[in-house]
Amino acid sequence: AQRVTQPEKLLSVFKGAPVELKCNYSYSGSPELFWYVQYSRQRLQLLLRHISRESIKGFTADLNKGETSFHLKKPFAQEEDSAMYYCALSGLPLETSGSRLTFGEGTQLTVNP
Amino acid sequence: DTAVSQTPKYLVTQMGNDKSIKCEQNLGHDTMYWYKQDSKKFLKIMFSYNNKELIINETVPNRFSPKSPDKAHLNLHINSLELGDSAVYFCASSLRSGAGANVLTFGAGSRLTVL
Repeated sequence: AQRVTQPEKLLSVFKGAPVELKCNYSYSGSPELFWYVQYSRQRLQLLLRHISRESIKGFTADLNKGETSFHLKKPFAQEEDSAMYYCALSGLPLETSGSRLTFGEGTQLTVNP
Repeated sequence: DTAVSQTPKYLVTQMGNDKSIKCEQNLGHDTMYWYKQDSKKFLKIMFSYNNKELIINETVPNRFSPKSPDKAHLNLHINSLELGDSAVYFCASSLRSGAGANVLTFGAGSRLTVL
């Protein structure tokens, strides 16, 4: 079974401070991990995925298979980063099944001025 | 040019009523989904359809019946609404397979309130 845990429901930091949103997963196979973000009054959208190994809006996330974690990090938080962040996991997609994303419970990040 | 559009955006209704939420995507995706976001913001998949064929049917009461007339549309019909059905329902779509299968494009959500 797939499971994603985001231990922090709420996270508040000051502008310019580093931020780390934690994500741990449970999956017996080879997972693909994602971070989705929902800004206020906007749609849920993909932020980044581990296979891309890229930085989006200053955020990075490294898949640590030993610790089964995929924490999202940004060295200097900005007020516009305030949003709801969801970590998501998918087993390797089958040819005909589309996606089976399992989302974590979400972390509401607030960046204070 | 909204990629995934769902209607209505807000729906307030009485217990016991039947209601539908419609979803359409113009991305040419083969797979469409319904997710439920509860009051605690927990997001859980309900159904997925691949080119009109039901692929995923999570443990959802059979009062919920998805219908996909074609691969660009996935509607959600709910019978005998209950208080616990109050939530935001998100439609999404993606490619059928490969790296794009897990890149979901979401609709804006439909907030259902059952009184």
